[in-house]
Amino acid sequence: KAGVTQTPRYLIKTRGQQVTLSCSPISGHRSVSWYQQTPGQGLQFLFEYFSETQRNKGNFPGRFSGRQFSNSRSEMNVSTLELGDSALYLCASSLGFDSTSTDTQYFGPGTRLTVL
Amino acid sequence: AQKVTQAQTEISVVEKEDVTLDCVYETRDTTYYLFWYKQPPSGELVFLIRRNSFDEQNEISGRYSWNFQKSTSSFNFTITASQVVDSAVYFCALSVYGVASGSRLTFGEGTQLTVNP
Repeated sequence: KAGVTQTPRYLIKTRGQQVTLSCSPISGHRSVSWYQQTPGQGLQFLFEYFSETQRNKGNFPGRFSGRQFSNSRSEMNVSTLELGDSALYLCASSLGFDSTSTDTQYFGPGTRLTVL
Repeated sequence: AQKVTQAQTEISVVEKEDVTLDCVYETRDTTYYLFWYKQPPSGELVFLIRRNSFDEQNEISGRYSWNFQKSTSSFNFTITASQVVDSAVYFCALSVYGVASGSRLTFGEGTQLTVNP
């Protein structure tokens, strides 16, 4: 089975721009989560989508948003980029048997975003 | 709220030494799950193990072993006879059961393990 894929792998943007990152989960997985990793804050949860619905959200400003499509693929968007948004953005997928399940998450290689 | 603490920021050992990575967690929930992930320089988090709060049995997988103790809220990870390929950042993580929580992971700060030849 193919693993979680993320595109693009690297991205350079300037302050004020917006960016969209894409994540394709493992086949059959219905839940997709996003995390931000920075040297200062570590790994922080952004949000989780299950069956096209956001079911959990971390403590990030509204500039960070996401969505999930019917094929479970997910995108996250960051608007009005700030220097502090430079980070590795990791996507993870899990089976998601139902809305209450807490499954093992499998991670993609990440998208490294640099904001200049 | 959940919290995971990995007090060891960096550990350096010589190949073939045994090394233990510490993890202490905090949660008020009675049903929860603990994980260890490995992050090599490539950046991808690699899943190593998952334990639920009702199963305190220790586990061994090859050179890896895990010691889960609810009494001390710890979930430590030991690598026996370390190898250079074990060099990576290791993360301990916690997830609690429930509709509101989903599969959300709370991570520790990570421990950078360097195994020298």
